[in-house]
Amino acid sequence: ETGVTQTPRHLVMGMTNKKSLKCEQHLGHNAMYWYKQSAKKPLELMFVYNFKEQTENNSVPSRFSPECPNSSHLFLHLHTLQPEDSALYLCASSQGGGQGVWEQYFGPGTRLTVT
Amino acid sequence: EDQVTQSPEALRLQEGESSSLNCSYTVSGLRGLFWYRQDPGKGPEFLFTLYSAGEEKEKERLKATLTKKESFLHITAPKPEDSATYLCAVRPRRDAGGTSYGKLTFGQGTILTVHP
Repeated sequence: ETGVTQTPRHLVMGMTNKKSLKCEQHLGHNAMYWYKQSAKKPLELMFVYNFKEQTENNSVPSRFSPECPNSSHLFLHLHTLQPEDSALYLCASSQGGGQGVWEQYFGPGTRLTVT
Repeated sequence: EDQVTQSPEALRLQEGESSSLNCSYTVSGLRGLFWYRQDPGKGPEFLFTLYSAGEEKEKERLKATLTKKESFLHITAPKPEDSATYLCAVRPRRDAGGTSYGKLTFGQGTILTVHP
């Protein structure tokens, strides 16, 4: 595997379900990110992890719960979602975080549909 | 508040017809401006980083330029395979909370279609 991988690629869940999205980066990076991409809207940053520590929570509802066990893996745990949470969820990584200027490399995304 | 506006929203070109995409930004001190390409059903693919006004970068048929208020992505003699959504993002010096841990603010993108 190379780059940034995400599983599953597609997910349909009911509002009462609990599911998790997984992201893995094979680039040796130290920072990882979750973004939400909705139709006709810009990418929205959700969470940032720098060396496994969460450094940004962009006012995301508590029904989204991130987990970063190490610098290579990132999870997004989902529970009691709403239909408006349907979107493409993108994971990204960068070599560093903090005050540096690093390009972010994105995974293919998970297309989530909440019914 | 940091803002990024891209224009036009959609652009249709004939193969070989050169044009430019615009990214206007308002940011509290620019540390970097990024261009990405996104194909349908895929994540954004990194193209360029620009750091200061006057800087230019090129890759194949693409050339990105930066001024103090905007960036342009020039596409020379485009081909159908250049069809994609092009995203612009800025990295501010600090966000509203006083930190800037890798936070990028994205524009809504320009959908480019190149017809053969």
